[in-house]
Amino acid sequence: DTEVIQTPKHLVMGMTNKKSLKCEQHMGHRAMYWYKQKAKKPPELMFVYSYEKLSINESVPSRFSPECPNSSLLNLHLHALQPEDSALYLCASSQDWGTGNTIYFGEGSWLTVV
Amino acid sequence: GENVEQHPSTLSVQEGDSAVIKCTYSDSASNYFPWYKQELGKGPQLIIDIRSNVGEKKDQRIAVTLNKTAKHFSLHITETQPEDSAVYFCAASIPGTYKYIFGTGTRLKVLA
Repeated sequence: DTEVIQTPKHLVMGMTNKKSLKCEQHMGHRAMYWYKQKAKKPPELMFVYSYEKLSINESVPSRFSPECPNSSLLNLHLHALQPEDSALYLCASSQDWGTGNTIYFGEGSWLTVV
Repeated sequence: GENVEQHPSTLSVQEGDSAVIKCTYSDSASNYFPWYKQELGKGPQLIIDIRSNVGEKKDQRIAVTLNKTAKHFSLHITETQPEDSAVYFCAASIPGTYKYIFGTGTRLKVLA
């Protein structure tokens, strides 16, 4: 079973709100990712966690704050977002972090910032 | 840096025909090439992948070919069905990193 579960599916938030996106996988994968996808564009990498430690931050603004409570869970905390942050946020996981590791995506969380 | 070009951007085929999508990469050291299908409102799903030590891989109606000399790889879908309609993304590993670069996507429409 290659399932990555994301909640919520849809989120509308104001620019002063604080909200969180959640992700879980029970495949025993040790690498987890956050991607951002704008309409008609490919996914863009934001963060990579490997063995629960932040390994990559693609110069993402601090209003996005990732957290990896354990090897199965990944959160993305959102605060003081801008309307241009509206996008599909995809969580993904892979067996390990390295070239050739297949990345499995969740269905995504649609975020609208008003 | 690594770059991946994907063509065509849109493709319409009649049901039952074949569809071919091509990607070209720039760094000859890239060694892993996955293909993802993304249906409307959903996340990308891996449909097939190929590693640089293999020239072709097939899974039922889907196949991927890799030409390392020319630095391109292609997705072939035979006997297309309406449910094949989606956006398809190719990707290539970025040498020296543990990251991937995605192509710009191909919107495939299978006409019934």
